[in-house]
Amino acid sequence: GAGVSQSPRYKVAKRGQDVALRCDPISGHVSLFWYQQALGQGPEFLTYFQNEAQLDKSGLPSDRFFAERPEGSVSTLKIQRTQQEDSAVYLCASSLGLDSPLHFGNGTRLTVT
Amino acid sequence: SQKIEQNSEALNIQEGKTATLTCNYTNYSPAYLQWYRQDPGRGPVFLLLIRENEKEKRKERLKVTFDTTLKQSLFHITASQPADSATYLCALDIAGGSYIPTFGRGTSLIVHP
Repeated sequence: GAGVSQSPRYKVAKRGQDVALRCDPISGHVSLFWYQQALGQGPEFLTYFQNEAQLDKSGLPSDRFFAERPEGSVSTLKIQRTQQEDSAVYLCASSLGLDSPLHFGNGTRLTVT
Repeated sequence: SQKIEQNSEALNIQEGKTATLTCNYTNYSPAYLQWYRQDPGRGPVFLLLIRENEKEKRKERLKVTFDTTLKQSLFHITASQPADSATYLCALDIAGGSYIPTFGRGTSLIVHP
């Protein structure tokens, strides 16, 4: 079946622009995670949803970052007033539940110029 | 401070040999530990999960051990092949029961023909 789909695959934004990154999880997966991955580093946790509820957003680096999953399926990560340090790969993952393996999308590579 | 440590230097081995990767952690009591494989430009792919009460897990040519006293997991690939070349990430739940995976930075494995 279809895996986790993320769009766009690449995004170039000028500093100060707002961006929206989309994640389509595997159908039926309750849990959804967003991670940020810098070059040569492991994924860093940003936020976690269980269905439509955002249960943990402790990893969001600033109040410019906002995530939502209004119907418990598709999720959007929004970054307002992008800065150069926001340049990274943003990974979305879904799973059947906590302590189940994560299924990752191939990420959105964001470059802020 | 809390840490997940994976060797940052690439591991180079000859085809047919056993590759052994290490994941050490401090100050956590994780309920489980996971290993993922990541290829360039792709999201991580789940390989194995081992729980705190399990010492060893196997899947085909892969073997994972988990020593909660040493706070260490070893990941073995037997009869390695060039196609096994990738970055291998370990992940564990650092908040003891939160089940939100926190990743190490990964170790690059290069298998030479």
